[in-house]
Parts: sequence; C-alpha cells; structure tokens
Amino acid sequence: AQSVTQPDIHITVSEGASLELRCNYSYGATPYLFWYVQSPGQGLQLLLKYFSGDTLVQGIKGFEAEFKRSQSSFNLRKPSVHWSDAAEYFCAVIVSGGYNKLIFGAGTRLAVHP
Amino acid sequence: EADIYQTPRYLVIGTGKKITLECSQTMGHDKMYWYQQDPGMELHLIHYSYGVNSTEKGDLSSESTVSRIRTEHFPLTLESARPSHTSQYLCASSEDSLEAFFGQGTRLTVV
Repeated sequence: AQSVTQPDIHITVSEGASLELRCNYSYGATPYLFWYVQSPGQGLQLLLKYFSGDTLVQGIKGFEAEFKRSQSSFNLRKPSVHWSDAAEYFCAVIVSGGYNKLIFGAGTRLAVHP
Repeated sequence: EADIYQTPRYLVIGTGKKITLECSQTMGHDKMYWYQQDPGMELHLIHYSYGVNSTEKGDLSSESTVSRIRTEHFPLTLESARPSHTSQYLCASSEDSLEAFFGQGTRLTVV
C-alpha cells in the first residue's frame, strides 16, 4: 500500500538557521509529491509540488524541495528560517486512480526559537 | 487565495445530536474531499466526490455521510454525534491541476 513517512515529529530550530524536513514515500510509480503547511487553527496551504522534470522545485515563502528517486525521498528545505515559519508541515503523495486522492504523512511540527 | 469555505469553524454539541458541516467552493472544481484530522496526526480521507451525484467512502471508515447535489456544495452529516467524533474536519477541492485547495476546517467537539 502507498504510504508517506515523515520521520521527525517535532523539530526545533533557531531563527536564521537552515531547515530540512524529511519525507519518504512508498509508491510503485513516479508519484506526484506535495508539501503543505498548516498554521494553528487553519487549513492547509500548498508550499510546492513535484510532478516531473527538474528534481529541485521552488515553492512559496522561500522553500524548496528535492525529489530523489533512488532514495524515495522528497525533503523540504529552507536556507534561513523565520519565526513565522513555525507551523505543521505535511508531505503528501497523490495516488493515481482518477480522483486525485492525497495520502498524507503524519506531519512535522516546527518550532522556531528567537 | 483559495475560495473554499467551511462553516462553522468551531462546534461544541451534545451526544446524540444531528449535525451538518458545510463546505462550499466557488472555483467550479468537480473533485471534492473530506479529511478527518486528530490533533497532531495526519489527515485521513473519509469521503470524496467526482462531481454532482457522485460520492465515495474514503480510506478511514466514518459514520458520517455526504451529499453532492450541487458542484459547489459538499456537506457532511452526522446523524447522531458521539464523543468519538470529536476531531477536526477539513474540506478540499481540486481540478485537473491536481493541487488541492483546503478550507480552514471545522473543529468539532462532542460532549
């Protein structure tokens, strides 16, 4: 069965430090991959997505992610974290089948220290 | 900014009551989804719809039901709420671009 694993439940970084959030997927074919961010009490906002082509994708708010087929990974990165980046981050994969069903990881909660 | 709206944002209700969570989108998307999210946990798909008069159960078994009479409207109903239904419910819609747009969610507490 398809699955998405985010190994880190909580991550704390200092403001200005670099960030990498890990995501691994289990899927037979090349998946459609997404990173979403959820601020407290809010819905999910799309940060970036990968469908094909260049394996390094740029997103909003200065985030980027790299697709590595050999490692089945799609890690999210940001070179310098801002206090406003504190939120929950979800990696997701679309399962093909006609209805674009998103399979989510458990999420990584990011805390940012001043 | 996504045009998908959920009401109410917060709901506290007694056991046994019937409730309907509303979800509306103005983007004309055919595909709509309901996800359930417990605090600190991943989202689980409980219902989805391809279009008008199309509804399917998702991966997570749910006692709720949905309807899709109009493209823009995808309400979720619990006939008899129980404390085990306490959760956050997120509605989303998508089109051929595959990007899903989410509402702000309804946080339901059944006491």
